[in-house]
Amino acid sequence: AQKVTQAQTEISVVEKEDVTLDCVYETRDTTYYLFWYKQPPSGELVFLIRRNSFDEQNEISGRYSWNFQKSTSSFNFTITASQVVDSAVYFCALGHGNKLVFGAGTILRVKS
Amino acid sequence: EPEVTQTPSHQVTQMGQEVILRCVPISNHLYFYWYRQILGQKVEFLVSFYNNEISEKSEIFDDQFSVERPDGSNFTLKIRSTKLEDSAMYFCASRNRGDQPQHFGDGTRLSIL
Repeated sequence: AQKVTQAQTEISVVEKEDVTLDCVYETRDTTYYLFWYKQPPSGELVFLIRRNSFDEQNEISGRYSWNFQKSTSSFNFTITASQVVDSAVYFCALGHGNKLVFGAGTILRVKS
Repeated sequence: EPEVTQTPSHQVTQMGQEVILRCVPISNHLYFYWYRQILGQKVEFLVSFYNNEISEKSEIFDDQFSVERPDGSNFTLKIRSTKLEDSAMYFCASRNRGDQPQHFGDGTRLSIL
């Protein structure tokens, strides 16, 4: 069965700190996609990144970076120099066939 | 940038009433989805729709739910006889090809009284 685990329920940091959000997944698929979505207090789901299971190269986009390690079935997300606007719920998701399987989400609170 | 549009943003309905949630997917997209998020919980898949038929549905998507693409632009979710536990945020999503990411609408918050 497909499963996504985000063990960190809530993280609080002070502005400018770096923070890493953990994501561990389970799947029997040989080809799959992994995603991160951001859900700000306004409630919408904002797509951040998609990774193909064949591509383990880490990715950096501004203050965001992602570390995909197939050997440990992890797809962790790091925010460098966090800002108050980063406060949101972050969801990791696994693409299985025709649908997304979401983790429970991590609430990130960035305090000024 | 094109986006998925959902209406209304908030729907309040009496228990037992029918409700229709509306979505306008991105115009060249072919795959359509509904997800549900009960307050404070994770986002759950309800149903996927392709080529004018349901391609997959979850256990949540029982006989009280139905989806329809009545014309070339709208994609609707109908809940026939609402229950208190149907209160949730409902997200519509669409994507172009099977290997492209799903783009989500802003959601409709459904409150059942």
